[in-house]
Amino acid sequence: QVQLQESGPGLVNPSETLSLTCTVSGYSLTNNYYWGWIRQPPGKGLEWIGNIFHSQSPYYNPSLKSRVTISIDTAKNKFSLNLTSLTAADTALYYCARVARLGMNYFDFWGQGTLVAVSS
Amino acid sequence: AVRMTQSPSSLSASTGDRVTITCRASQDIGYYLVWYQQKPGQAPKLLISSASSLQSGVPSRFSGSGSGTAFTLTISSLQSEDFATYYCQQYYASPYNFGQGTKLEIK
Repeated sequence: QVQLQESGPGLVNPSETLSLTCTVSGYSLTNNYYWGWIRQPPGKGLEWIGNIFHSQSPYYNPSLKSRVTISIDTAKNKFSLNLTSLTAADTALYYCARVARLGMNYFDFWGQGTLVAVSS
Repeated sequence: AVRMTQSPSSLSASTGDRVTITCRASQDIGYYLVWYQQKPGQAPKLLISSASSLQSGVPSRFSGSGSGTAFTLTISSLQSEDFATYYCQQYYASPYNFGQGTKLEIK
């Protein structure tokens, strides 16, 4: 069964760049699934950030596109999120997840999430 | 962007009750809608895809219906483990927005 685990710093300074990694086990990233990032500010709802496929360019939420980069390392079976120019509004629980089916951008397996606070 | 609006935002109910949560899309999204359940401290869990297809292992008391712009999630007889927050999400077009959530609480 596929398992996902997010990792990264719990605290980041404003204006800096957040880097998170999602390690996938039980499934190869070179198989036919997309993988994505979603975030959830404390006490609030869910926001889709972007998705990636191993042999294609990632695609992003237009509201974050200028600040987001998602990349994939198939050799390490990991994919990553970079988010630049952080503000307090980026404080959130960040989830990585598997897109359930090709072309169907919803998520069937999720990591447990990693909490990121943006504060000096 | 397709905006998703859930109602109500919160709902109090008792074990055994039948409850319905509504999700409305700002434009026609066909059947491109899913429902998730999220319990405190946990990641969302996929319940229903394609508006009405129950995921494997999800109890049959959960059901989804609708198409176009109006969708519902129904729990036919609430169990204690169903008290959680429920989210809809459209996957018709980017950005793949979620509803704001409906918190189902014990009366």
